Amino acid sequence: NAGVTQTPKFQVLKTGQSMTLQCAQDMNHEYMSWYRQDPGMGLRLIHYSVGAGITDQGEVPNGYNVSRSTTEDFPLRLLSAAPSQTSVYFCASSRQGRTGELFFGEGSRLTVL
Amino acid sequence: KNEVEQSPQNLTAQEGEFITINCSYSVGISALHWLQQHPGGGIVSLFMLSSGKKKHGRLIATINIQEKHSSLHITASHPRDSAVYICAVRTGNQFYFGTGTSLTVIP
Repeated sequence: NAGVTQTPKFQVLKTGQSMTLQCAQDMNHEYMSWYRQDPGMGLRLIHYSVGAGITDQGEVPNGYNVSRSTTEDFPLRLLSAAPSQTSVYFCASSRQGRTGELFFGEGSRLTVL
Repeated sequence: KNEVEQSPQNLTAQEGEFITINCSYSVGISALHWLQQHPGGGIVSLFMLSSGKKKHGRLIATINIQEKHSSLHITASHPRDSAVYICAVRTGNQFYFGTGTSLTVIP
């Protein structure tokens, strides 16, 4: 059981570069989400999706783009990286509805120089 | 604005002690989650609650919906319980997270 697979684990970018963080789950979960975790702050929701073709913004969406073409995959795109996007990123999935337990990927540490 | 507040921020305990971590929230929720994050960084779900109380081994989680408060208890704490414990609430399709409680259990 792979659960939630997130890649890459580490990435260093230069300001202005673009990249995609990949997230895949094999649990047929409707709900998928991306978070960033910064020192002294709680996890903050960037974008989420409740099913293929449906995405919406979370608390801190600026500078990030997502798409959900399949149930399994939910990539996060940084269009033009900025130092303020240096963070640890987590992808998570759950069944839709109030009974959905959250399953997290292992995290991706991104540094923007 | 902080939708979720946790206390304490840091906690050091001797092995065997009873531990309580508190979580208060300010929004209407459909569920509350307790998560554990080890120094390696991975996050795992411990509990999901919408009412009452749940128990897994030495861990107990309670929630009082009227008071918008939840507690996580660890009985007979052990060094392997050392981790960051995070409270999260779900409101609609949004999740809000506390900043975490860093627990260190000393042998």
